[in-house]
Amino acid sequence: AQKVTQAQTEISVVEKEDVTLDCVYETRDTTYYLFWYKQPPSGELVFLIRRNSFDEQNEISGRYSWNFQKSTSSFNFTITASQVVDSAVYFCALTSLSGGGADGLTFGKGTHLIIQP
Amino acid sequence: DGGITQSPKYLFRKEGQNVTLSCEQNLNHDAMYWYRQDPGQGLRLIYYSQIVNDFQKGDIAEGYSVSREKKESFPLTVTSAQKNPTAFYLCASSMVGLAGGASTDTQYFGPGTRLTVL
Repeated sequence: AQKVTQAQTEISVVEKEDVTLDCVYETRDTTYYLFWYKQPPSGELVFLIRRNSFDEQNEISGRYSWNFQKSTSSFNFTITASQVVDSAVYFCALTSLSGGGADGLTFGKGTHLIIQP
Repeated sequence: DGGITQSPKYLFRKEGQNVTLSCEQNLNHDAMYWYRQDPGQGLRLIYYSQIVNDFQKGDIAEGYSVSREKKESFPLTVTSAQKNPTAFYLCASSMVGLAGGASTDTQYFGPGTRLTVL
């Protein structure tokens, strides 16, 4: 069975602060994919990043960066110099090539990020 | 403009009535999915379809039904058998369908339908 844990239910920071959202995953598969999605108040999920289990390089995209560490089964997401528009619920998700069964995407419960002006 | 559309955005129904949620995509994606989201929870997979005229149950399929008569469309029916249908429903699609029971390609989501059963 697969599992994604986002222990931080809600984080509140002041604008321009850096913030890190934690994601810890569990899977028995050696080939798997990790995702981050953003859900603004409108409700639509916006894709942010997809990372496979063989690529442990950290990635930076503007103010966003991701730290993938297989040794600790974590895929953390950092927003640098946060802005009010970053306020949303962020989901970490996992899928793998396990056979037999409709695994689909396994989602964490999400972290509600509040950026105060 | 390519994307996924879901209609309606808000839906109200009386208890005991069946209701159908629409999902259309013009991304030429093979696979389509339906997820349910409850307050404070992550998304849970209801049904998925890799190709036309074929679909599979997800983790919480009971009380739901789907059809896939066209590549672009994947409507979801919430039947009266669904015990707690009030939720936010999200449709998604991806280029590569599920393989061996799991999807590895990026899923893109529609804007969602918020269903309230009175």
